[in-house]
Amino acid sequence: EVQLVESGGGVVRPGGSLRLSCAASGFNFDGYAMRWVRQRPGKGLEWVSRINGNGDYPEYADSVKGRFTISRDNAKNSLHLQLNSLGAEDTALYFCARERHGGPLDCWGQGTLVTVSS
Amino acid sequence: DIQMTQSPSTLSASVGDRVTITCRASQSISRWLAWYQQKPGKAPKLLIYEASNLESGVPSRFSGSRSGTEFTLTISSLQPDDFATYYCQQYNTYSAWTFGQGTKVEIK
Repeated sequence: EVQLVESGGGVVRPGGSLRLSCAASGFNFDGYAMRWVRQRPGKGLEWVSRINGNGDYPEYADSVKGRFTISRDNAKNSLHLQLNSLGAEDTALYFCARERHGGPLDCWGQGTLVTVSS
Repeated sequence: DIQMTQSPSTLSASVGDRVTITCRASQSISRWLAWYQQKPGKAPKLLIYEASNLESGVPSRFSGSRSGTEFTLTISSLQPDDFATYYCQQYNTYSAWTFGQGTKVEIK
Protein backbone atom coordinates (compact mmCIF):
# COMPACT_ATOMS: atom_id res chain seq x y z
CA GLU A 1 0.00 0.00 0.00
CA VAL A 2 1.31 3.42 -0.94
CA GLN A 3 1.64 5.54 2.18
CA LEU A 4 2.99 8.96 3.11
CA VAL A 5 3.29 10.05 6.74
CA GLU A 6 4.32 13.58 7.68
CA SER A 7 5.83 14.68 10.97
CA GLY A 8 7.66 17.61 12.50
CA GLY A 9 4.93 20.21 12.74
CA GLY A 10 4.40 22.28 15.84
CA VAL A 11 4.20 25.77 17.32
CA VAL A 12 7.06 28.11 16.55
CA ARG A 13 7.66 31.80 17.19
CA PRO A 14 7.86 34.30 14.33
CA GLY A 15 11.31 34.20 12.77
CA GLY A 16 11.83 30.65 13.96
CA SER A 17 12.58 27.44 12.10
CA LEU A 18 11.08 23.99 11.76
CA ARG A 19 11.92 20.84 9.81
CA LEU A 20 9.14 18.75 8.36
CA SER A 21 9.58 15.15 7.29
CA CYS A 22 7.57 12.75 5.17
CA ALA A 23 8.13 8.99 5.36
CA ALA A 24 7.21 7.13 2.20
CA SER A 25 6.44 3.45 1.78
CA GLY A 26 4.84 1.05 -0.66
CA PHE A 27 6.39 2.39 -3.87
CA ASN A 28 9.67 3.04 -5.63
CA PHE A 29 10.39 6.35 -3.90
CA ASP A 30 13.29 7.55 -6.05
CA GLY A 31 11.21 7.04 -9.18
CA TYR A 32 8.87 9.90 -8.32
CA ALA A 33 9.03 13.65 -7.94
CA MET A 34 7.52 14.80 -4.66
CA ARG A 35 5.78 17.98 -3.59
CA TRP A 36 4.81 19.89 -0.49
CA VAL A 37 1.40 21.56 -0.57
CA ARG A 38 0.01 23.67 2.24
CA GLN A 39 -3.42 24.77 3.36
CA ARG A 40 -3.87 27.78 5.59
CA PRO A 41 -6.71 27.49 8.11
CA GLY A 42 -10.03 27.61 6.31
CA LYS A 43 -8.37 28.33 2.98
CA GLY A 44 -7.51 26.54 -0.24
CA LEU A 45 -4.51 24.56 -1.41
CA GLU A 46 -1.16 26.14 -2.30
CA TRP A 47 1.80 24.46 -3.94
CA VAL A 48 4.96 25.14 -1.89
CA SER A 49 7.87 23.13 -3.25
CA ARG A 50 8.84 20.32 -5.62
CA ILE A 51 11.85 18.04 -5.90
CA ASN A 52 12.67 15.61 -8.68
CA GLY A 53 13.37 11.93 -8.17
CA ASN A 54 17.11 12.07 -7.66
CA GLY A 55 16.92 15.22 -5.56
CA ASP A 56 19.10 17.52 -7.65
CA TYR A 57 16.41 19.92 -8.87
CA PRO A 58 14.44 21.64 -6.14
CA GLU A 59 11.79 24.26 -6.97
CA TYR A 60 9.83 26.71 -4.85
CA ALA A 61 6.79 28.92 -4.92
CA ASP A 62 7.67 32.61 -4.84
CA SER A 63 6.04 32.91 -1.41
CA VAL A 64 8.67 30.64 0.20
CA LYS A 65 11.70 31.04 -2.06
CA GLY A 66 14.84 31.80 -0.04
CA ARG A 67 13.23 30.67 3.23
CA PHE A 68 12.29 27.03 2.68
CA THR A 69 14.55 24.19 1.52
CA ILE A 70 13.28 20.89 0.17
CA SER A 71 15.43 17.76 0.22
CA ARG A 72 15.08 14.01 0.05
CA ASP A 73 16.98 10.94 1.23
CA ASN A 74 16.21 8.18 -1.22
CA ALA A 75 18.12 5.63 0.85
CA LYS A 76 15.67 6.25 3.69
CA ASN A 77 12.58 6.91 1.55
CA SER A 78 12.12 10.28 3.17
CA LEU A 79 11.27 13.81 2.08
CA HIS A 80 12.03 16.92 4.07
CA LEU A 81 11.16 20.59 4.17
CA GLN A 82 13.27 23.02 6.17
CA LEU A 83 11.25 26.09 7.09
CA ASN A 84 13.22 29.21 8.12
CA SER A 85 12.26 32.81 8.88
CA LEU A 86 8.71 31.77 9.58
CA GLY A 87 5.90 34.30 9.67
CA ALA A 88 2.23 34.17 10.59
CA GLU A 89 1.39 33.66 6.91
CA ASP A 90 3.17 30.29 7.05
CA THR A 91 0.67 28.91 9.56
CA ALA A 92 -0.87 26.00 7.69
CA LEU A 93 -1.37 22.27 7.38
CA TYR A 94 1.51 20.97 5.28
CA PHE A 95 0.94 17.94 3.08
CA CYS A 96 3.52 15.91 1.22
CA ALA A 97 2.29 14.35 -1.99
CA ARG A 98 3.54 12.09 -4.76
CA GLU A 99 3.57 13.47 -8.30
CA ARG A 100 2.46 10.94 -10.86
CA HIS A 101 4.83 10.88 -13.81
CA GLY A 102 4.10 14.14 -15.61
CA GLY A 103 0.78 14.24 -13.91
CA PRO A 104 -1.26 15.15 -10.85
CA LEU A 105 -0.78 14.34 -7.17
CA ASP A 106 -2.07 10.82 -6.73
CA CYS A 107 -1.12 10.10 -3.14
CA TRP A 108 -1.12 12.46 -0.16
CA GLY A 109 -0.11 12.25 3.47
CA GLN A 110 -2.43 13.27 6.28
CA GLY A 111 -0.62 16.55 6.85
CA THR A 112 1.36 18.12 9.68
CA LEU A 113 0.28 21.40 11.26
CA VAL A 114 2.65 24.34 11.55
CA THR A 115 1.53 27.22 13.76
CA VAL A 116 3.57 30.40 13.88
CA SER A 117 2.62 32.41 16.93
CA SER A 118 4.25 34.50 19.62
CA ASP B 1 1.26 32.25 -13.20
CA ILE B 2 -1.81 30.59 -14.63
CA GLN B 3 -4.93 31.54 -12.66
CA MET B 4 -7.70 29.03 -12.05
CA THR B 5 -11.14 30.50 -11.43
CA GLN B 6 -13.52 28.02 -9.87
CA SER B 7 -17.26 28.47 -9.42
CA PRO B 8 -19.42 28.45 -7.47
CA SER B 9 -17.63 28.81 -4.15
CA THR B 10 -20.51 27.12 -2.35
CA LEU B 11 -23.21 24.86 -3.68
CA SER B 12 -26.26 23.59 -1.79
CA ALA B 13 -27.74 20.38 -3.12
CA SER B 14 -29.78 17.35 -2.14
CA VAL B 15 -29.00 13.66 -2.37
CA GLY B 16 -29.75 12.52 -5.90
CA ASP B 17 -29.14 15.94 -7.49
CA ARG B 18 -26.93 16.40 -10.51
CA VAL B 19 -24.12 18.77 -9.56
CA THR B 20 -21.78 20.74 -11.82
CA ILE B 21 -18.65 22.64 -10.80
CA THR B 22 -16.72 24.81 -13.26
CA CYS B 23 -13.08 25.80 -13.44
CA ARG B 24 -11.69 28.29 -15.96
CA ALA B 25 -8.01 28.70 -16.74
CA SER B 26 -6.53 32.12 -17.52
CA GLN B 27 -4.70 30.63 -20.53
CA SER B 28 -4.53 27.37 -22.39
CA ILE B 29 -3.57 24.37 -20.26
CA SER B 30 -4.55 21.75 -22.85
CA ARG B 31 -6.03 18.81 -20.95
CA TRP B 32 -3.70 19.12 -17.95
CA LEU B 33 -6.29 19.52 -15.24
CA ALA B 34 -7.12 17.46 -12.18
CA TRP B 35 -10.02 17.45 -9.75
CA TYR B 36 -9.68 16.60 -6.06
CA GLN B 37 -12.16 15.98 -3.26
CA GLN B 38 -11.32 17.05 0.28
CA LYS B 39 -13.24 16.31 3.45
CA PRO B 40 -12.68 18.29 6.68
CA GLY B 41 -9.40 17.41 8.37
CA LYS B 42 -8.40 15.02 5.58
CA ALA B 43 -6.00 15.06 2.67
CA PRO B 44 -7.28 15.77 -0.84
CA LYS B 45 -8.16 12.75 -2.94
CA LEU B 46 -7.57 12.61 -6.69
CA LEU B 47 -10.81 12.10 -8.63
CA ILE B 48 -10.12 13.08 -12.25
CA TYR B 49 -6.90 13.64 -14.21
CA GLU B 50 -6.20 14.90 -17.73
CA ALA B 51 -9.56 16.68 -17.57
CA SER B 52 -11.71 13.61 -18.10
CA ASN B 53 -9.95 10.46 -16.92
CA LEU B 54 -11.48 8.83 -13.86
CA GLU B 55 -8.95 7.80 -11.23
CA SER B 56 -9.00 4.13 -10.32
CA GLY B 57 -11.49 3.36 -7.56
CA VAL B 58 -13.49 6.55 -7.99
CA PRO B 59 -17.24 6.00 -8.52
CA SER B 60 -18.49 6.43 -12.07
CA ARG B 61 -20.99 9.10 -10.99
CA PHE B 62 -18.01 11.49 -11.15
CA SER B 63 -17.02 12.76 -14.58
CA GLY B 64 -14.94 15.55 -16.06
CA SER B 65 -15.04 17.42 -19.32
CA ARG B 66 -13.24 20.20 -21.15
CA SER B 67 -14.19 22.92 -23.58
CA GLY B 68 -11.21 25.09 -24.42
CA THR B 69 -10.07 26.61 -21.15
CA GLU B 70 -13.26 25.75 -19.29
CA PHE B 71 -13.41 22.53 -17.31
CA THR B 72 -16.35 20.89 -15.59
CA LEU B 73 -16.70 18.34 -12.83
CA THR B 74 -20.09 16.64 -12.77
CA ILE B 75 -21.56 14.39 -10.11
CA SER B 76 -24.48 12.67 -11.81
CA SER B 77 -26.39 11.73 -8.65
CA LEU B 78 -25.10 13.23 -5.43
CA GLN B 79 -24.56 10.74 -2.62
CA PRO B 80 -24.19 11.43 1.14
CA ASP B 81 -20.46 10.66 0.93
CA ASP B 82 -20.00 13.38 -1.70
CA PHE B 83 -20.56 16.36 0.58
CA ALA B 84 -17.08 17.84 0.61
CA THR B 85 -14.94 20.56 -0.94
CA TYR B 86 -13.72 20.12 -4.50
CA TYR B 87 -10.63 21.70 -6.05
CA CYS B 88 -9.40 21.91 -9.60
CA GLN B 89 -5.67 22.09 -10.29
CA GLN B 90 -3.70 22.79 -13.45
CA TYR B 91 -0.45 20.99 -14.15
CA ASN B 92 0.35 22.46 -17.54
CA THR B 93 3.30 24.44 -16.21
CA TYR B 94 6.27 22.34 -15.17
CA SER B 95 6.40 23.31 -11.52
CA ALA B 96 4.20 26.31 -10.68
CA TRP B 97 0.97 24.39 -10.37
CA THR B 98 -2.09 26.32 -9.26
CA PHE B 99 -5.35 25.32 -7.63
CA GLY B 100 -8.81 26.75 -7.91
CA GLN B 101 -10.31 28.40 -4.84
CA GLY B 102 -12.49 25.39 -4.05
CA THR B 103 -16.21 24.60 -4.14
CA LYS B 104 -17.93 23.46 -0.98
CA VAL B 105 -20.85 21.14 -1.65
CA GLU B 106 -23.32 21.42 1.23
CA ILE B 107 -26.50 19.64 2.13
CA LYS B 108 -29.58 21.60 1.07
